[in-house]
Amino acid sequence: SQKIEQNSEALNIQEGKTATLTCNYTNYSPAYLQWYRQDPGRGPVFLLLIRENEKEKRKERLKVTFDTTLKQSLFHITASQPADSATYLCALSYNTDKLIFGTGTRLQVFP
Amino acid sequence: EAGVTQFPSHSVIEKGQTVTLRCDPISGHDNLYWYRRVMGKEIKFLLHFVKESKQDESGMPNNRFLAERTGGTYSTLKVQPAELEDSGVYFCASSSGLYPYIQYFGAGTRLSVL
Repeated sequence: SQKIEQNSEALNIQEGKTATLTCNYTNYSPAYLQWYRQDPGRGPVFLLLIRENEKEKRKERLKVTFDTTLKQSLFHITASQPADSATYLCALSYNTDKLIFGTGTRLQVFP
Repeated sequence: EAGVTQFPSHSVIEKGQTVTLRCDPISGHDNLYWYRRVMGKEIKFLLHFVKESKQDESGMPNNRFLAERTGGTYSTLKVQPAELEDSGVYFCASSSGLYPYIQYFGAGTRLSVL
């Protein structure tokens, strides 16, 4: 079965720096790879989606890359702010149905 | 526009009791999903409705779990009888089914089985 690994349980960075989170998967490449943000006591919130034939996607300070050869996605937050502190989840989907989630990376941005 | 709402936000029951979780999707969303996160693990898919039909229930753990979506609107997830390992956070999500297939999640129901 598909297995997803996110680089570390926690990542601490200083405000203004770029945060880089990693998502690695096994087996065959998904049709879509998505990134979600989750705050304590809340459900996941969609951030970005990238398709298997896309290399990079950007949205404001966020950037996602997708390398199907390495079976890896990188998620970057540039000019990070304390308000970016949250858990970030990588999720794969092979069609319009279920999402397969990683365990998430907890990002802490300190002033 | 109202988001996905789940009720209750927290439920504490004893082993062997029955609990029913409710999810109200975003109005007009035909697709409704249930997920679960047990402590220390990743969020896992339980099942997917398209309108009132079960499209995929491959993630349902066993026959103690029953999901319904009468009339294709809100959905309920019943656990009967509850076991200790059923404890976790149950999320509901809905989507329109149109690209980019974004799933909108509710805040979840935290279920504690004692």
